[in-house]
Amino acid sequence: AQSVAQPEDQVNVAEGNPLTVKCTYSVSGNPYLFWYVQYPNRGLQFLLKYITGDNLVKGSYGFEAEFNKSQTSFHLKKPSALVSDSALYFCAVRDRGYQKVTFGTGTKLQVIP
Amino acid sequence: KAGVTQTPRYLIKTRGQQVTLSCSPISGHRSVSWYQQTPGQGLQFLFEYFSETQRNKGNFPGRFSGRQFSNSRSEMNVSTLELGDSALYLCASSLASGRKIYSNQPQHFGDGTRLSIL
Repeated sequence: AQSVAQPEDQVNVAEGNPLTVKCTYSVSGNPYLFWYVQYPNRGLQFLLKYITGDNLVKGSYGFEAEFNKSQTSFHLKKPSALVSDSALYFCAVRDRGYQKVTFGTGTKLQVIP
Repeated sequence: KAGVTQTPRYLIKTRGQQVTLSCSPISGHRSVSWYQQTPGQGLQFLFEYFSETQRNKGNFPGRFSGRQFSNSRSEMNVSTLELGDSALYLCASSLASGRKIYSNQPQHFGDGTRLSIL
């Protein structure tokens, strides 16, 4: 069975500082990995995905994520946080055998002005 | 291109009633998934449909059911509503064609239906 862990319920960061939201996964075989963001009273929006190739993936709004196979991690990063980045972030995994998508529990990012 | 449309946005029901929620996917998307989101349980997978067939199912009781129509639109139904069914129900569509769901494609979510049970 596949699983995703987001160990931090909340991450606080000062505006302008770099941010990291952590995600680790467990899946048989090679995974497809995704990050989504959710603003209040809205659905999830896709940020970026890892399929294969370069371990550093770039996505929307200046976000990027680093895939680390040995640590089974896919941490979301941004060099300089904005107050508007404050939202709920979800990591998701899907194995290549066409199983259902599994989401993490979400991490609330609070960017402090 | 229009996004995923879910109707209604808000719904209030009482215990014991049943409810039907609707989802229209992005044009060309033939896979539709449903999720329940609550503060306590987070985002939980309900089911996934492709070509009018249920392809995956989460761990929910039989009171939760769904279907997909030939135009890829989907509905989910919850019967005998319980207080614990109060949640945001999210629909997501993704690319698929022929006989295959593209597992490497992201899901595109609607803004959900907020269901409140009194």
